[in-house]
Amino acid sequence: GQQLNQSPQSMFIQEGEDVSMNCTSSSIFNTWLWYKQEPGEGPVLLIALYKAGELTSNGRLTAQFGITRKDSFLNISASIPSDVGIYFCAGQLPRRADSGAGSYQLTFGKGTKLSVIP
Amino acid sequence: NAGVTQTPKFQVLKTGQSMTLQCAQDMNHEYMSWYRQDPGMGLRLIHYSVGAGITDQGEVPNGYNVSRSTTEDFPLRLLSAAPSQTSVYFCASSYHRSRRTMNTEAFFGQGTRLTVV
Repeated sequence: GQQLNQSPQSMFIQEGEDVSMNCTSSSIFNTWLWYKQEPGEGPVLLIALYKAGELTSNGRLTAQFGITRKDSFLNISASIPSDVGIYFCAGQLPRRADSGAGSYQLTFGKGTKLSVIP
Repeated sequence: NAGVTQTPKFQVLKTGQSMTLQCAQDMNHEYMSWYRQDPGMGLRLIHYSVGAGITDQGEVPNGYNVSRSTTEDFPLRLLSAAPSQTSVYFCASSYHRSRRTMNTEAFFGQGTRLTVV
C-alpha cells in the first residue's frame, strides 16, 4: 500500500516552544488531513487541506499542503501542556475512475508523539 | 449530532470467542471504515463500506467480517478471537465535501479497547 513518512516519531519540548512536524510521500495526494489523538480517545480532525500550496490556520496550529502535493507540515506555536498527544497526518489519493472507494480511502502516517514539559 | 458512536469501550475475550463491535453514525455519511491501532503501527484499515450493502477488504481483513445493512450502522465481527487481535479498534465515517473535487474528511469514534487472553 501507499506509504506516508511522518517525522519526527516523538518530540519532547518545553512549554512555550514552537513545534514542527511533517509528512512526505512518493505519491501525489488530493487532500491532506491532520489529526490529534489524546490518550484513550479517537483521532480528532484539526486541519484539512484541499489545494496544493494551501496554508490554513486553526488557532495556534498552522498546516500547509506542499506545492508538489507529496508533503504537508503542521506547526504548533507557543505550545502548552494540553497540546500533548499523538498527531497523525492522513492523505487522500486522487480518485480512481474505476472505484468510488478509492476516492474515500485515507493513508495514515504512524504519528508524532508530542510531550510538553511545563 | 452524536457523530460516530462505538460500543463497547472495553472488552476482554477468551481465545476462540466471537463478538461484534458496534459502530453507528448519525451524519448520513456514505463511507464507513474500521481500523485497528497497534503501538508503532499507526492506523491500519481492516474493512470498509461505500454504502449500504457494499463492503470490501482493507489492509488487514483476516479474522474479521463486516456487513452494512443500513447507512447508519457498520458492525465488525470477530469470528474466533486470537491474542493477535488484541488492539484498539476505531470506526470512522467519511463524506465528500463536493462531488466535483471528491475531497474527503474522516470522523472517528472513541475506540474499543479489546484484549484477547
